[in-house]
Amino acid sequence: DQQVKQNSPSLSVQEGRISILNCDYTNSMFDYFLWYKKYPAEGPTFLISISSIKDKNEDGRFTVFLNKSAKHLSLHIVPSQPGDSAVYFCASRRQGGSEKLVFGKGTKLTVNP
Amino acid sequence: AAGVIQSPRHLIKEKRETATLKCYPIPRHDTVYWYQQGPGQDPQFLISFYEKMQSDKGSIPDRFSAQQFSDYHSELNMSSLELGDSALYFCASSSPTYGSRNIQYFGAGTRLSVL
Repeated sequence: DQQVKQNSPSLSVQEGRISILNCDYTNSMFDYFLWYKKYPAEGPTFLISISSIKDKNEDGRFTVFLNKSAKHLSLHIVPSQPGDSAVYFCASRRQGGSEKLVFGKGTKLTVNP
Repeated sequence: AAGVIQSPRHLIKEKRETATLKCYPIPRHDTVYWYQQGPGQDPQFLISFYEKMQSDKGSIPDRFSAQQFSDYHSELNMSSLELGDSALYFCASSSPTYGSRNIQYFGAGTRLSVL
């Protein structure tokens, strides 16, 4: 049972445009969400996170939006750069509960020059 | 800045052999997590340690064991290896600092191939 779902295995955008990566979750106990970026042969690199008490968190070109009622979050990258090309994982956890991260299957983003 | 260090980066073993993976967390991080990522899969949580005590356990086979040592490094021991154990094994660590504990920082991983 996949508790964190990234329904788009891949996404291709033009350099300078906005990239929007989506993530849905089913477990209503999740209250902390993270996005990681992963290059081949490297470990996941933390990008940005958001607590369930917020609906938006911004860090430079990266913004994460959380819609708790829809159990949906999205990562916006603007403007997209070729160096952003990687696999993006959405992850969730319960604060105060199990510390494990539950990951989605990832979305491969390709930013074309 | 120092990152999570995993060794070895690559490991090739035969079926029924044993393997030991090592993880050195970011300095002053007190919690270590182990994840397994199969081909084309998402990382799956195996086990975690806080202050040298097991803090959580996921889908870790009984053939696997792990511990965290006094210097906070951790080792994942895998015995009676099976073909299905071939995967990327990631270690992550988190800081005791309030507000930072939720963020796990990952190492580059150990790629284990069982032949």
